[in-house]
Amino acid sequence: DAGVTQSPTHLIKTRGQQVTLRCSPISGHKSVSWYQQVLGQGPQFIFQYYEKEERGRGNFPDRFSARQFPNYSSELNVNALLLGDSALYLCASRTLAELTDTQYFGPGTRLTVL
Amino acid sequence: AQSVTQPDIHITVSEGASLELRCNYSYGATPYLFWYVQSPGQGLQLLLKYFSGDTLVQGIKGFEAEFKRSQSSFNLRKPSVHWSDAAEYFCAVGAGDNQGGKLIFGQGTELSVKP
Repeated sequence: DAGVTQSPTHLIKTRGQQVTLRCSPISGHKSVSWYQQVLGQGPQFIFQYYEKEERGRGNFPDRFSARQFPNYSSELNVNALLLGDSALYLCASRTLAELTDTQYFGPGTRLTVL
Repeated sequence: AQSVTQPDIHITVSEGASLELRCNYSYGATPYLFWYVQSPGQGLQLLLKYFSGDTLVQGIKGFEAEFKRSQSSFNLRKPSVHWSDAAEYFCAVGAGDNQGGKLIFGQGTELSVKP
């Protein structure tokens, strides 16, 4: 089975622009979470979506938004990009059949803001 | 507030030597604990997880971790390191309403393996 897929792999934007990152979960997984990983740090939780509803949000500004589609894929949008938004953005999926389900991570999208 | 601390930013071990990576957590309830590994330019791969039961957890690639509630620790161990183990290792605690949905990660420990 295919793992979590993310697109694009790399992205270069300039300050003030907007970006959309995409994630396809593992087949059968209904929950998607997004994380931001700045160079040299651990990932930080941005959002969790389940059944198209936001189920959790981390400490990120309103410039960050996301949505989940009926096929459980997800998009992360970031508006008015800042230099500090440069990071690896990771998507993770899980079934949520049980609380102990494992999150499986995709390879990430590397965003560079110039 | 929930938090995870990995005291060692960078560790170097010789190939064949034993390894222990430290992880301390702060969490009010019974924690869900995880160790992930990240190779350069890659996403995160789960090594092992602890939810309940036996406090010694076996994972993939010969790794194990021991949950010690009294010390709020979840240290990762491997008896004999291979050169391919060189990577970044992250400890995480599951938080939020469903515990597994929101992971709080430590800063990571970079492992170098010398021949």
